[in-house]
Amino acid sequence: KNEVEQSPQNLTAQEGEFITINCSYSVGISALHWLQQHPGGGIVSLFMLSSGKKKHGRLIATINIQEKHSSLHITASHPRDSAVYICAARPHTSGTYKYIFGTGTRLKVLA
Amino acid sequence: NAGVTQTPKFRVLKTGQSMTLLCAQDMNHEYMYWYRQDPGMGLRLIHYSVGEGTTAKGEVPDGYNVSRLKKQNFLLGLESAAPSQTSVYFCASSYVASGRDEQYFGPGTRLTVT
Repeated sequence: KNEVEQSPQNLTAQEGEFITINCSYSVGISALHWLQQHPGGGIVSLFMLSSGKKKHGRLIATINIQEKHSSLHITASHPRDSAVYICAARPHTSGTYKYIFGTGTRLKVLA
Repeated sequence: NAGVTQTPKFRVLKTGQSMTLLCAQDMNHEYMYWYRQDPGMGLRLIHYSVGEGTTAKGEVPDGYNVSRLKKQNFLLGLESAAPSQTSVYFCASSYVASGRDEQYFGPGTRLTVT
């Protein structure tokens, strides 16, 4: 069992739909990141969370530390949101900044 | 700023050949990382560096060596390539301070070992 698990693995949505991607982790963490990997392969950081909720445009990320769970929401989805979304957890390990990555959720938004 | 750059972008090697992947960052970041990405698996850490002149092993270090002689550069070496090292390799760098912890990724290097 991976220490960071994402669901679903694949998701197809129609343009305009509200999308939720989930990330569960089994280790104590100090931060959790959501990353976006475009079809061309480039990876960009969307959010870093240690508590609560963050919003950027149509993207919202939440985290519940007690339940060891985070969600990424996309409102009014658009075909340009099609990408792989990856969550990465930074464990409580003093002195290091290593991450454990989920296997990603492949999102396809149809026009 | 160029951010994080990687060279080369693509490479095909024969088993037993050697090569070096170069990662460069112009953001003055202390931390640098090398990952590999394989189908169905999350990014896995190969080696990382917390500063110039220092390196440490990650999750899957076997078959790879690294060097960080200059703060802006992090080199990944394959001494004797094997087909199991066919993968996409990503370099990343980060600036870590209270409240700030973001990794910046390079564009990736697609390596095929035949």
